[in-house]
Amino acid sequence: GQQLNQSPQSMFIQEGEDVSMNCTSSSIFNTWLWYKQDPGEGPVLLIALYKAGELTSNGRLTAQFGITRKDSFLNISASIPSDVGIYFCAGGGGGSNYKLTFGKGTLLTVNP
Amino acid sequence: NAGVTQTPKFQVLKTGQSMTLQCAQDMNHEYMSWYRQDPGMGLRLIHYSVGAGITDQGEVPNGYNVSRSTTEDFPLRLLSAAPSQTSVYFCASSPGRVAVLHEQYFGPGTRLTVT
Repeated sequence: GQQLNQSPQSMFIQEGEDVSMNCTSSSIFNTWLWYKQDPGEGPVLLIALYKAGELTSNGRLTAQFGITRKDSFLNISASIPSDVGIYFCAGGGGGSNYKLTFGKGTLLTVNP
Repeated sequence: NAGVTQTPKFQVLKTGQSMTLQCAQDMNHEYMSWYRQDPGMGLRLIHYSVGAGITDQGEVPNGYNVSRSTTEDFPLRLLSAAPSQTSVYFCASSPGRVAVLHEQYFGPGTRLTVT
């Protein structure tokens, strides 16, 4: 089946630093999404991308849909302690294909 | 709106026991899914439904059963629990419109331990 390679697996940064993480795939996706999961909670949708080349922001978060449709990245600017959590990328197929393929996640730790 | 709700939050089963994990959503979403989350494995799709009366298998369906008799509810049944089914289970829902098809909203999860 389709697989997503998400990197890095974990990051430990200082408060105020910028963060970048990415996802790559050998397959094309029509939708890229980024989720955040807090400890003991379900994933929460941060950003959804629908067009190749699209760059979308949500507050301090910026995500891009790669032009080849095989990758996406997420940037977090000026990190704060509540950014701690696991960030997942997910890719969606075309048409009415509802299924998502998830990456294995990036664990972000922010040192105050 | 309560969004997606799941019960129970925690459960311990003995090998061979059966149980049903409940999932409900009040957003009138057409699409619902069940995932399991294991350390280092990300989220893996177990079963999904594109509407009442319609279900299909995902990536890891063995040992699980689903049905969708109403738009709101999508229960997951473990037929005969095994230690390999120890995991965190998430239910998710999505509007049926193609434009936002992949924007899935997750419940808080059920943490299941099988001994």
